[in-house]
Amino acid sequence: KNEVEQSPQNLTAQEGEFITINCSYSVGISALHWLQQHPGGGIVSLFMLSSGKKKHGRLIATINIQEKHSSLHITASHPRDSAVYICAVGGVAGGGADGLTFGKGTHLIIQP
Amino acid sequence: GAGVSQSPSNKVTEKGKDVELRCDPISGHTALYWYRQSLGQGLEFLIYFQGNSAPDKSGLPSDRFSAERTGGSVSTLTIQRTQQEDSAVYLCASSLVGSGAYEQYFGPGTRLTVT
Repeated sequence: KNEVEQSPQNLTAQEGEFITINCSYSVGISALHWLQQHPGGGIVSLFMLSSGKKKHGRLIATINIQEKHSSLHITASHPRDSAVYICAVGGVAGGGADGLTFGKGTHLIIQP
Repeated sequence: GAGVSQSPSNKVTEKGKDVELRCDPISGHTALYWYRQSLGQGLEFLIYFQGNSAPDKSGLPSDRFSAERTGGSVSTLTIQRTQQEDSAVYLCASSLVGSGAYEQYFGPGTRLTVT
């Protein structure tokens, strides 16, 4: 069973700061997902990646398959970025289909 | 187009009663997942359907939990003889195909409270 560790668990920053959230996992995977959940809200998929780097607006996600590690970066953070960010891994490398295994999430607060 | 829908949005039930939760995936998505989000446990996988294949039930916490998917579309999660520890938000997600390597689209969830 894959273990997914996220850090930090909680993060408070000032508007405009550069934010980094880290995720590590224990078993090779097919893909890693970054999800966002606003308080009382649903879950939205931000990125799905299996190698390299993806960018969407102010969000950047990177993954290092050899080190089993991914980072989510937020540039020029804004109060509306305040949410829980969840790392999840899917699919066992080499085959097999299963559901996602989730990290415990990073609760991010951006203060104006 | 329409996203994943779930019903009911909230359900309060007495301990020992059975409940049924419904999920309507995005049209054309062959893979459907049920997850549970509870305060103590975070998000956890329950069951996965891929097309007409036998479901992956490896995440179901007990034999009180079951799910079916009719006609490769709508799915129902049934919890029999509910217990207080079943209180959680039950989330459904769908993706074009399975394997965890495709983007999953989540429904709004059903908040279940067992009193």
